[in-house]
Amino acid sequence: EVQVAESGGGLVQPGGSLRLSCAASGFTFNIYAMTWVRQAPGKGLEWVSTISASGVNAYYADSAKGRFTVSRDNSKNTLYLQMSGLRVDDSAVYHCAGGVVTTNSYGMDVWGQGTTVTVSS
Amino acid sequence: SSELTQDPAVSVALGQTVRIVCQGDSLRTNYASWYQQRPGQAPVLVVYHENNRPPGIPDRFSGSRSGDTASLTITGPQAEDEADYYCFSRDISHDHHWVFGGGTKLTVL
Repeated sequence: EVQVAESGGGLVQPGGSLRLSCAASGFTFNIYAMTWVRQAPGKGLEWVSTISASGVNAYYADSAKGRFTVSRDNSKNTLYLQMSGLRVDDSAVYHCAGGVVTTNSYGMDVWGQGTTVTVSS
Repeated sequence: SSELTQDPAVSVALGQTVRIVCQGDSLRTNYASWYQQRPGQAPVLVVYHENNRPPGIPDRFSGSRSGDTASLTITGPQAEDEADYYCFSRDISHDHHWVFGGGTKLTVL
């Protein structure tokens, strides 16, 4: 069964840090570009970061650049998101998702249920 | 523009046909993928690379593109198709960035 499961969310104070993990199984993890997508309460989906299948290339939304770091361990089929300098507006459900990227297309056919990050004092 | 614009809400009578549109400059040269999200659930890919369906997605879902607009058409929607739908494509204003549309809430009457 194809599955990804996020963990590591929780309550953190503004300025704090968290590390999210996403464990994958049931598909060839090392050919999938993996992405973090977040959704604030009552809001739409927001692209946060994508890492290439090899892990060599990583890309970030402006809202995440300089504060978040995405990485992956293909030997462990696991994706990570290290978040620092957290702000109240980073509060959201964070989903990991994955799929095959082409030059002009990216369909993410694997999604996790998400882990909740709450930034509050 | 880097944005993908969607109508906030659309309604359709059971069994009719509905088209959900997504507009943005990036769609002139890039394909959209479409995601269905039911309340409290994770998004599900329903169409990718303009008009391809993953296994298990009913053939009443189809995609198309014309100019700067991508469309998701549901032919004969069922009650279970009531959900939020998001388009997703490259953000051409930033190298290697991606962007979601604001989402369309589909109500099946």
